[in-house]
Amino acid sequence: RKEVEQDPGPFNVPEGATVAFNCTYSNSASQSFFWYRQDCRKEPKLLMSVYSSGNEDGRFTAQLNRASQYISLLIRDSKLSDSATYLCVSRNTGKLIFGQGTTLQVKP
Amino acid sequence: DAGVTQSPTHLIKTRGQQVTLRCSPKSGHDTVSWYQQALGQGPQFIFQYYEEEERQRGNFPDRFSGHQFPNYSSELNVNALLLGDSALYLCASSPWGTGALTYEQYFGPGTRLTVT
Repeated sequence: RKEVEQDPGPFNVPEGATVAFNCTYSNSASQSFFWYRQDCRKEPKLLMSVYSSGNEDGRFTAQLNRASQYISLLIRDSKLSDSATYLCVSRNTGKLIFGQGTTLQVKP
Repeated sequence: DAGVTQSPTHLIKTRGQQVTLRCSPKSGHDTVSWYQQALGQGPQFIFQYYEEEERQRGNFPDRFSGHQFPNYSSELNVNALLLGDSALYLCASSPWGTGALTYEQYFGPGTRLTVT
């Protein structure tokens, strides 16, 4: 079993739609969590950190549930430019553990 | 302010050969981590260097080795290349011991290695 698991998709949604990605992690000792965005053939870039209290950055909302070991990302009012792979990431003693990634394709 | 740089961009090698990939961290960062990303997968942690020492290692064989130089730059060496080593190799840098829950690792553009 992978330490961080997420549905690879693809998720195909129209512009303006709301889409939610989920992720589970198995290591309860994981210290912190992130969502990274990766465009095709590019490096991953930090989208946002994830807190138990939830955090929002514009159209993006991330949530952590430590009891269920579950992480979510909600994207509202999807834009064409949101098309990318979204990587769920946990951090444990300095190293990042990545999920497989979820592919989002936003269509006009 | 230059970000993380990696060289070369692309590389084609033959099975059994050896390869060296290079990374220069972002200015002000002293810790370098290496990741392997196979097609369709998320990056996998190879190892991390700080103060010229390997501090952590992922589940990779001894064929994968590294080095960090006094200027914090780093090399990843892979010996006896296998077809399965074909991947995007990513270098990430960060400050050591940041302690904050939300420290960020900055990634370089990667080196795409193809083994034939």
